[in-house]
Amino acid sequence: GENVEQHPSTLSVQEGDSAVIKCTYSDSASNYFPWYKQELGKRPQLIIDIRSNVGEKKDQRIAVTLNKTAKHFSLHITETQPEDSAVYFCAASMNSGYSTLTFGKGTMLLVSP
Amino acid sequence: NAGVTQTPKFQVLKTGQSMTLQCAQDMNHNSMYWYRQDPGMGLRLIYYSASEGTTDKGEVPNGYNVSRLNKREFSLRLESAAPSQTSVYFCASSAPSGGAYEQYFGPGTRLTVT
Repeated sequence: GENVEQHPSTLSVQEGDSAVIKCTYSDSASNYFPWYKQELGKRPQLIIDIRSNVGEKKDQRIAVTLNKTAKHFSLHITETQPEDSAVYFCAASMNSGYSTLTFGKGTMLLVSP
Repeated sequence: NAGVTQTPKFQVLKTGQSMTLQCAQDMNHNSMYWYRQDPGMGLRLIYYSASEGTTDKGEVPNGYNVSRLNKREFSLRLESAAPSQTSVYFCASSAPSGGAYEQYFGPGTRLTVT
């Protein structure tokens, strides 16, 4: 089955800096890669996703890049703000009717004012 | 729309007791999922239901059973709780089917087994 590795497990940055979280996956058949944000005590929520027919996707201060050859994808957050502090999870799935998501173990991002 | 709802929010069980976690969604989603979340382990899939009338095992199904009662409701049962099942349990749903679409999560149930 799919295996998703996520690094780093914790990341501390100063407000205004950029943050990058990286994930690798094992199954070359995976072609859907979402990122979820989970604030303390809350439920995970989707913040951005990418499918394998594109290499990069942006939404305001967040972007995701995908390298299918190397089987890795990354989340980039620019101009970080204290409200970006949360745990971020990457995941991978095949784009088929009954596929399921495999999650990485998460990255705790701390943004200091 | 309430989205995905879960009951109860908190539960304390003694070893060997049984309980059922309830999940319901009002988004007309076909697929529903149960995850457990432990510190440093991410979200691990326990069981899922790709569509009404079907259920399948995920990564960590041992000690659990599920029922897809109808399109809206998907319950998770612990027949004989063990301390290793202390965790936060999340239900999720997605549409139209399958994993390659956004999953919407419920607020979670924090379960402690003593």
